[in-house]
Order: sequence, then structure tokens, then C-alpha cells
Amino acid sequence: DIQMTQSPSSLSASVGDRVTITCRASQSINSYLNWYQQKPGKAPNLLIYAASTLQSGVPSRFSGSGSGTDFTLTISSLQPEDFATYYCQQSYSTPRTFGQGTKVEIK
Amino acid sequence: QVQLVQSGAEVKKPGASVKVSCKASGYTFTGYYIHWVRQAPGQGLEWMGRINPNTGGTNYAQKFQDRVTLTRDTSISTAYMELSRLRSDDTAVYSCAREVAQWGFDYWGQGTLVTVSS
Repeated sequence: DIQMTQSPSSLSASVGDRVTITCRASQSINSYLNWYQQKPGKAPNLLIYAASTLQSGVPSRFSGSGSGTDFTLTISSLQPEDFATYYCQQSYSTPRTFGQGTKVEIK
Repeated sequence: QVQLVQSGAEVKKPGASVKVSCKASGYTFTGYYIHWVRQAPGQGLEWMGRINPNTGGTNYAQKFQDRVTLTRDTSISTAYMELSRLRSDDTAVYSCAREVAQWGFDYWGQGTLVTVSS
């Protein structure tokens, strides 16, 4: 199975900050990397697929980059509605493994 | 509009089985894989398996291989997840999700809370 490791596990940031979350795969997954946002009590929401393609309707302050084993999710200017938990997921093979999550909290 | 609507919350005793349904609408049911993901309280997302609604073919996570069964009924555009020999640590929210090719899970069900308690 491909292991997905996110860092950090949590972070505190202020509105307007630039936030970066990293995700590392245990083997190359080309660009088969997706990012989700989850708010408490809600289903995850697909933000980015194929490492860098913004899902329809997702604000342009979200961006993704990387290929192979190392990936990054960036929020260019953190907004109040962005405080949530973020997960990466590989879709290169089954099982479709997720990272452990990064909780973005208000500073 | 695309919707995945799941069955309601369940309370089960240890050793029992649970079957959760996921009814799809707004798209061609047989055109997209349905995946099942669970989330225990305060924990992360855990992939359980997937079904190809067109062929009925399945893939399961090793962890659940001997306890989970995914099925579908194309006549009513519904996928099912059955988990047997329930334990207390199976208490979680179980969700279905649609996958677009290999480009992520773009639509999710609302989640079904399964509580396992004696």
C-alpha cells in the first residue's frame, strides 16, 4: 500500500496569512494526488485533483503543486471560511490512501 | 444535480452486521466508481473499498477484506456497503463517494453514523 504523510498535523494561522501544507507519498504516484477540505460534521470537499487542477467552484486562493512523491497545497491568503482540516489522497492505485490530515486553526 | 443520499443512522450490537445504502441521482450510475470511506470520531479518513457499478467488480482494503461486502442494484441506482462482525471500534461515520476516473471523489453522501455498543 502507498503511505501518505502530511505535515504539519496542525497549524495556527491568521486571516490573510499564506499557508502551505505538504504531502509525501511512499512511492511515486505521478500526479495522482488530490486535496480535500473537511469542516466539522460535513463530508470532505474536493479542492484540487491531479496535483494542481482546481475543482470547479473552488476559490483561486487555493493551489496545488508537485509530482512524483512530494506535493504541496497552498492557500495564498487565508480566509475565515478556510479554517478546517485538509487531507491529501492518492488515486494512483488501490487502496486509495489518505494522509492523516492537517488541521488549520485560528491564531 | 448529482446527489448521493445514504440511509439513516444505525445502532448495532457487537458481532452484528450493518448494511448502508447510497442512492445516486443526477448522473449515469454505471459510469462512475462508488467508493466507501469511514471516519471514526475525531479521526481521519479511512478508505474501505470501491465498486464498479457497471460490472459489479470490487476492490477492498486489506483491513476489511474478510468483513466488508460492496454490492449494487443498477435498477434503482443504489450501492450498498455491508460490514459484518461489528466491534466497538467500528463506530464511525460511513460515507459513499463518486470517483471521476482517477481524479478524486467529487461527490459524497451525507454520511451514516454507525454506533456499535452493547
